[in-house]
Amino acid sequence: AQTVTQSQPEMSVQEAETVTLSCTYDTSENNYYLFWYKQPPSRQMILVIRQEAYKQQNATENRFSVNFQKAAKSFSLKISDSQLGDTAMYFCAFMNTGNQFYFGTGTSLTVIP
Amino acid sequence: DTEVTQTPKHLVMGMTNKKSLKCEQHMGHRAMYWYKQKAKKPPELMFVYSYEKLSINESVPSRFSPECPNSSLLNLHLHALQPEDSALYLCASSPYGAPGYTQYFGPGTRLTVL
Repeated sequence: AQTVTQSQPEMSVQEAETVTLSCTYDTSENNYYLFWYKQPPSRQMILVIRQEAYKQQNATENRFSVNFQKAAKSFSLKISDSQLGDTAMYFCAFMNTGNQFYFGTGTSLTVIP
Repeated sequence: DTEVTQTPKHLVMGMTNKKSLKCEQHMGHRAMYWYKQKAKKPPELMFVYSYEKLSINESVPSRFSPECPNSSLLNLHLHALQPEDSALYLCASSPYGAPGYTQYFGPGTRLTVL
């Protein structure tokens, strides 16, 4: 079974600064997909960024980028120019070829004004 | 329209009640999902429907009964629930049942079982 580990239960960052959230996973599969989802307090979960394992290039989406290290099974999320609206729980997720999601335990990020 | 809607937003029910949760999407997605999420925990997959057929049931107790009447609608029928079933129930959809497609989540139904 796949496991996804987010070792930072809580983090904080000053507004306009950069923060990196870590995620590691364990799998024996070669083909898979990785996601970061954001869940603001009492609001719905939305996709932040998606990475296909067969693509070496790191995905970016505006202020959000990932550092995907396939050999190390690491998939960290970097948020640049942090904004108050970035305050949320962030979940790293692994999807296998069976289309099943495995979520990490989440990192609660607080952006401090 | 990139929205998944869920009704009701909140539901309080007794252990002997029968109620249903509803999920709707009009994005033409052919896979729909039910998740259960406890406070400060990640979502746990319950059921997956692919092309209106149940494809995954994660050993969920029979007091939860899913139904997919058509490609846009997903229901979760609840009967004889226990207090530990209190949680946020999330619905999600994705374009196809094939792997790799992003799942779009609804806002959830917050269920309290008394």
